[in-house]
Amino acid sequence: QKEVEQDPGPLSVPEGAIVSLNCTYSNSAFQYFMWYRQYSRKGPELLMYTYSSGNKEDGRFTAQVDKSSKYISLFIRDSQPSDSATYLCAMSDQAGTALIFGKGTTLSVSS
Amino acid sequence: NAGVTQTPKFRILKIGQSMTLQCTQDMNHNYMYWYRQDPGMGLKLIYYSVGAGITDKGEVPNGYNVSRSTTEDFPLRLELAAPSQTSVYFCASSYGGPRGYTFGSGTRLTVV
Repeated sequence: QKEVEQDPGPLSVPEGAIVSLNCTYSNSAFQYFMWYRQYSRKGPELLMYTYSSGNKEDGRFTAQVDKSSKYISLFIRDSQPSDSATYLCAMSDQAGTALIFGKGTTLSVSS
Repeated sequence: NAGVTQTPKFRILKIGQSMTLQCTQDMNHNYMYWYRQDPGMGLKLIYYSVGAGITDKGEVPNGYNVSRSTTEDFPLRLELAAPSQTSVYFCASSYGGPRGYTFGSGTRLTVV
């Protein structure tokens, strides 16, 4: 079993839809959880960061962490064509240690 | 403020050749990382460094070498290039806190 599992998609939705992206993990020591967005031919950029369990909201984006289920989610409300990108989940057990990434989910939002 | 700068952006190597991928950051970050990204495979850690003079292997270090003589620079050396090293290489840095990395724009390497 890989440490971090993420469905690669692709996921196609119409503009305005609510998007749900998910990752599962096996290492119960993970406590730092991040979502990165990567546009084509660009480096990943940090989108959301969550420590331990709970929710975090930033504009149209909401990150959720359920440590009891080893499951994290990213919700995008009112999706826009500019949200079309690959979304990578990442996590680590200690601050500063190397992040473990999921394979990424490719999202396409059509206008 | 440039962030993390990687050069070159593209390179084609012949089997058996060697090259160095350059990475420089201007944020005074102690931690630096090299990842490779293959299609559909996510990011795999090659090497990382927690400060000048200190390096350690990641998940996929074979065929690569690194050095860290200054805080700013973290070059990745490929010796005897092989087709399996065809990939996109990303350098990243962080201050060591929990808020993740700043990535460079990547180097696309093809070995033929």
